[in-house]
Amino acid sequence: EVQLSQSGGGLVLPGGSLTLACAASGFTFRNTAMTWVRQAPGKGLEWVSTFTGSFSTTYSADSVKGRFTISRDNSKNTLYLQMNSLRADDAAVYYCAKSPSSDYPYYFDSWGQGTLVTVSS
Amino acid sequence: EVVMTQSPATLSVSPGERVTLSCRASQSVSSSLAWYQQKPGQAPRLLIHGASTRATGIPARFSGSGSGTEFTLTISSLQSEDFAIYYCQQYNNWPLTFGGGTKAEIK
Repeated sequence: EVQLSQSGGGLVLPGGSLTLACAASGFTFRNTAMTWVRQAPGKGLEWVSTFTGSFSTTYSADSVKGRFTISRDNSKNTLYLQMNSLRADDAAVYYCAKSPSSDYPYYFDSWGQGTLVTVSS
Repeated sequence: EVVMTQSPATLSVSPGERVTLSCRASQSVSSSLAWYQQKPGQAPRLLIHGASTRATGIPARFSGSGSGTEFTLTISSLQSEDFAIYYCQQYNNWPLTFGGGTKAEIK
């Protein structure tokens, strides 16, 4: 059974940093593209960043480029999102999600439970 | 960026009704279109990928159609557990983009 277990959310000051983690099990993590998607309170889904499985290529939304870094540790089956220079509009529930393969297609067949990031002074 | 537009924003329906949700892309995304269902406090769940392929375990009352820029999700007979928000997502181009969602609520 596929499981994505998230950790690392919480309250952070504007301009602060936070790292999210997503521990995966039940599939071959190193061969799977992984993604972070966020959802601001009462809003829709927003793609944040993807780390592909085969060529270790990363893609990120313009809204987070230069501030957020997606990474993965295949030895630990864990995906990370390092978030720096956090702003109020980064506040959201962050989901990790897996795709069905290492590269295209980039839809999401399993999701983590979500972790809340609050940015406030 | 491919803009995904869903309509209507809200759908008031009675259990047992047939429901059609629309998703339009600002440029062609071929058949690289997925649909998700999200209930309050839960993560999204994949319903459809490739515009028309049901995901594993999804009931047959859910069907998807379309290609290019116009897509439809149909629920043939809405059940009580189907009241939720539905999102489409294109994965033909970077950045990946989602529609704003359609909320199916009880009439």
